[in-house]
Amino acid sequence: GQNIDQPTEMTATEGAIVQINCTYQTSGFNGLFWYQQHAGEAPTFLSYNVLDGLEEKGRFSSFLSRSKGYSYLLLKELQMKDSASYLCAVFDSNYQLIWGAGTKLIIKP
Amino acid sequence: IAGITQAPTSQILAAGRRMTLRCTQDMRHNAMYWYRQDLGLGLRLIHYSNTAGTTGKGEVPDGYSVSRANTDDFPLTLASAVPSQTSVYFCASSGGDYNEQFFGPGTRLTVL
Repeated sequence: GQNIDQPTEMTATEGAIVQINCTYQTSGFNGLFWYQQHAGEAPTFLSYNVLDGLEEKGRFSSFLSRSKGYSYLLLKELQMKDSASYLCAVFDSNYQLIWGAGTKLIIKP
Repeated sequence: IAGITQAPTSQILAAGRRMTLRCTQDMRHNAMYWYRQDLGLGLRLIHYSNTAGTTGKGEVPDGYSVSRANTDDFPLTLASAVPSQTSVYFCASSGGDYNEQFFGPGTRLTVL
């Protein structure tokens, strides 16, 4: 079967750096997405990786290793507004999007 | 409107009743999706449509039906609601540089 694993919950301190990991086992791979979802709101697109390496976008970066079936989302200079769930999703060989259950990130002052 | 809208925002429904959740997008995206999101389970695909006039079943289609008469609208119907269909329902469409999905604000449905 197809599977995406993420930690259920993480806690970090305002101003610090946090890394949220995602491992996947899917039938084929055509790209990996990270989404942010604040409580009670819809998911919003953060980043996309299809080639190995790091993609940087402001305070957020996303890394992909296709050979390891692994990605991480790196959040720098954490702010209270970064408290949210972060969802990892993978396009399989049929371009069907497979979703992880999400990681709830709690930021403490 | 800009993006995707859903209606109603929330609804309490008696078991056995029929209910249609509405979804409209103005981005002219071909593909649209319906998900349900339950605590601890993440997003699960109910039905999808790759283009107007076509629909397909997702991971959890039982008890739900959809139609796609035109590009903009993608309604989801619960023929006879059951308590296990209590959930938050998100409609999405895909497009953009990476074919990423854009989500509507969601409908919170409670079936009693």
